[in-house]
Amino acid sequence: DVKVTQSSRYLVKRTGEKVFLECVQDMDHENMFWYRQDPGLGLRLIYFSYDVKMKEKGDIPEGYSVSREKKERFSLILESASTNQTSMYLCASSAGQGGYGYTFGSGTRLTVV
Amino acid sequence: GQNIDQPTEMTATEGAIVQINCTYQTSGFNGLFWYQQHAGEAPTFLSYNVLDGLEEKGRFSSFLSRSKGYSYLLLKELQMKDSASYLCAVREGNNYQLIWGAGTKLIIKP
Repeated sequence: DVKVTQSSRYLVKRTGEKVFLECVQDMDHENMFWYRQDPGLGLRLIYFSYDVKMKEKGDIPEGYSVSREKKERFSLILESASTNQTSMYLCASSAGQGGYGYTFGSGTRLTVV
Repeated sequence: GQNIDQPTEMTATEGAIVQINCTYQTSGFNGLFWYQQHAGEAPTFLSYNVLDGLEEKGRFSSFLSRSKGYSYLLLKELQMKDSASYLCAVREGNNYQLIWGAGTKLIIKP
């Protein structure tokens, strides 16, 4: 069964901490994405990557950075966590372009206190 | 600009049929996806339409009209487990990323 695995399901961090969210996929997908999901706002794209070491800003990249050193792993970094970054974070991957949908990880619910 | 509209919430009765609409305004349309998301879980793929017409998959069907910028997801013989949010997403051109609607929360009552 193909999978996208996010390292933590629930996470509580303090304001100002540096936070790492890890995502690993075993489908040899080229594309990987980080979204946050908040009630009433839907999915908002933070960053995505279409190849190793490549990254592109999404709609809301401020306060975040990413790393993709290996094809299967895409990390989201909160440089200095703030309370407005409390959210559900979803990682997804997809193959190539065209009619390829996303496969999502199970999500990380991050609370910043 | 890019815009995808879906109703925020719908209510239906177990055993009935419900239609969830999605309208979009994008440039270079290149496919529309429907996803299901149960509360607290990740979205899962339901259907994909790139040409006009109806795609049927068991109890679920999805329809697309490109000229009208319109799609719907039809759920038949509703079951309690169909209570979830349903997300519409569109691909523009050869973009890697999808454009997402805010989702429709479907509540099924006995």
